[in-house]
Amino acid sequence: QKEVEQNSGPLSVPEGAIASLNCTYSDRGSQSFFWYRQYSGKSPELIMFIYSNGDKEDGRFTAQLNKASQYVSLLIRDSQPSDSATYLCAVGNNYGQNFVFGPGTRLSVLP
Amino acid sequence: GAVVSQHPSWVICKSGTSVKIECRSLDFQATTMFWYRQFPKQSLMLMATSNEGSKATYEQGVEKDKFLINHASLTLSTLTVTSAHPEDSSFYICSARDPRTSGTVNEQFFGPGTRLTVL
Repeated sequence: QKEVEQNSGPLSVPEGAIASLNCTYSDRGSQSFFWYRQYSGKSPELIMFIYSNGDKEDGRFTAQLNKASQYVSLLIRDSQPSDSATYLCAVGNNYGQNFVFGPGTRLSVLP
Repeated sequence: GAVVSQHPSWVICKSGTSVKIECRSLDFQATTMFWYRQFPKQSLMLMATSNEGSKATYEQGVEKDKFLINHASLTLSTLTVTSAHPEDSSFYICSARDPRTSGTVNEQFFGPGTRLTVL
């Protein structure tokens, strides 16, 4: 059984701070890793994906992947109240198939 | 990014009736679509993988006779909840991979979801 784990939160950070979201996965064969943001009552929207070890930056977001530790994280710099949402980590195989979603981490950015 | 639509966005029905939800890829052809279900405060659970022109692949524990999936064209997949009961009330979300994305990573794009309430 493939598992993806996240701290359910809520994670509270002040506006302007860095929010750090973590995700671990059980399947060592996983090749593709995704971060989605989901607002209450809405469907998930893709923030970014990563499939190589190291860091990948996109604007205020940085994804970090460590396959040896089976760990992927998302950093949000200069957090804004509009970033308050549930962040879902998803893990897939080489072609983005067999998606398994984590339970999500609820982030609250306090003004 | 790719656009996926769903219809209806919400539906309320009586117990025992059937409900059909449509998922469309608007600006690309999706050979594969996915159907998820999400209960309140829980994560997405994959129900089935819908393949154009062939039978859907259902996840363990999902009743294929209750959740009928049809993927008749490259832009449309439908999920029919047959003889719906209150415990089927949930947020149903479809997604599709855009084959035009480069490399080996084909991220999934989600539709806006359909909230089903069975009375």
